[in-house]
Amino acid sequence: SYVLTQPPSVSVAPGQTARITCGGDNIGVKSVHWYQQKPGQAPVLVVYDDSDRPSGIPERFSGSNSGNTATLTISRVEAGDEADYYCQVWDSSSGHPYWVFGGGTKLTVL
Amino acid sequence: EVQLVESGGGLVQPGGSLRLSCAASGFTFRSYEMNWVRQAPGKGLEWVSYSSSSSAVTIYYADSVKGRFTISRDNAKNSLYLQMNSLRAEDTAVYYCARAAAGSDYYFDYWGRGTLVTVSS
Repeated sequence: SYVLTQPPSVSVAPGQTARITCGGDNIGVKSVHWYQQKPGQAPVLVVYDDSDRPSGIPERFSGSNSGNTATLTISRVEAGDEADYYCQVWDSSSGHPYWVFGGGTKLTVL
Repeated sequence: EVQLVESGGGLVQPGGSLRLSCAASGFTFRSYEMNWVRQAPGKGLEWVSYSSSSSAVTIYYADSVKGRFTISRDNAKNSLYLQMNSLRAEDTAVYYCARAAAGSDYYFDYWGRGTLVTVSS
């Protein structure tokens, strides 16, 4: 089965740039999607298809994907961005479709 | 406004059964693929099951629940269901109903707030 690897935690000062990585075997050929989850709340889609943003998501959120690593970049980080972030891909290498999530990264705003 | 509201969670003994429901509103339910995703306490997200939108429904399950869980939908009632049998302690989680994005089965654009299932004696 396909495995996505995220760092458990990332810390950044307000106003700085946060980069959250998502590693997977040749992930660059897949479409990667990112979700934000605040404590006690449902996940919210923040980036889809590597780098597209749903309506209502600030331009500060961007994504990239190449080789074995996808990256969610949050520019000009705000206190309200503190949350868990999950990457996700669709994979069928095991014989049937699977929606695979990374283990999640806790973003701490210092 | 798209809304997904889960219900039916609760405390159940190991080996027991539970049926979750997801009431959808604010969109044409019959036109969308739907999923269940769960999150164990303090853990990450895990996809559980998928249902296509078509009358000839295509269904998929995660290996961890295959043979024990059954997904279904009633398009006339704008509702998605998850019948969970032979429950185990490791099934303890918040269960989310999640809509697949229009034109793409590959990610989830709206989620419900979830319902907690606790499997314990």
